[in-house]
Amino acid sequence: DVKVTQSSRYLVKRTGEKVFLECVQDMDHENMFWYRQDPGLGLRLIYFSYDVKMKEKGDIPEGYSVSREKKERFSLILESASTNQTSMYLCASMPGGSGMANYGYTFGSGTRLTVV
Amino acid sequence: AQSVTQLGSHVSVSEGALVLLRCNYSSSVPPYLFWYVQYPNQGLQLLLKYTSAATLVKGINGFEAEFKKSETSFHLTKPSAHMSDAAEYFCAVTKSGGSYIPTFGRGTSLIVHP
Repeated sequence: DVKVTQSSRYLVKRTGEKVFLECVQDMDHENMFWYRQDPGLGLRLIYFSYDVKMKEKGDIPEGYSVSREKKERFSLILESASTNQTSMYLCASMPGGSGMANYGYTFGSGTRLTVV
Repeated sequence: AQSVTQLGSHVSVSEGALVLLRCNYSSSVPPYLFWYVQYPNQGLQLLLKYTSAATLVKGINGFEAEFKKSETSFHLTKPSAHMSDAAEYFCAVTKSGGSYIPTFGRGTSLIVHP
């Protein structure tokens, strides 16, 4: 069974800490994505990557950075965590190729981050 | 630009009743349409997708959706709700020849009463 694995289901961090959220996929997908999900706001794209070492800003990149050193791993970094970054974080992946628009995502189980 | 509207942030049904979750889209070119389901404290799972083949699409867990171009709709239905169907449902759209990043609706929470 193909999988997108997020390293932590629940995480509690202090304001100002540097936080790493890890995501690993075993499907050899070119594209990987980080979203945050908040009640009433739906899913908002933070960053995505279409290849190793490549990254693109999504709709809300401020306060975040990403790293993709290997094809299977995409990390989200909160440089200095703040309380307004308390949220559910979802990682997703998708194959590359000419038919990308009709593939759909495979999501991880999510990381619920609380910043205190 | 493409957009998705899900009518009703919450839908409540009785167990055994018909489930109807509404999704309308706007797109300047033929769209690809998706429904995802999210069970509590989990990630999203692809339920079904329309990719310009059959307009009636069958998905997992007995759900299906019909693409209606004239109504710009892609409503999700299930003939008989089960308690295990209680979840958040998201409609999403991409477009052929355009960005592969989907636009998601805000989601509809399905509540199933015994």
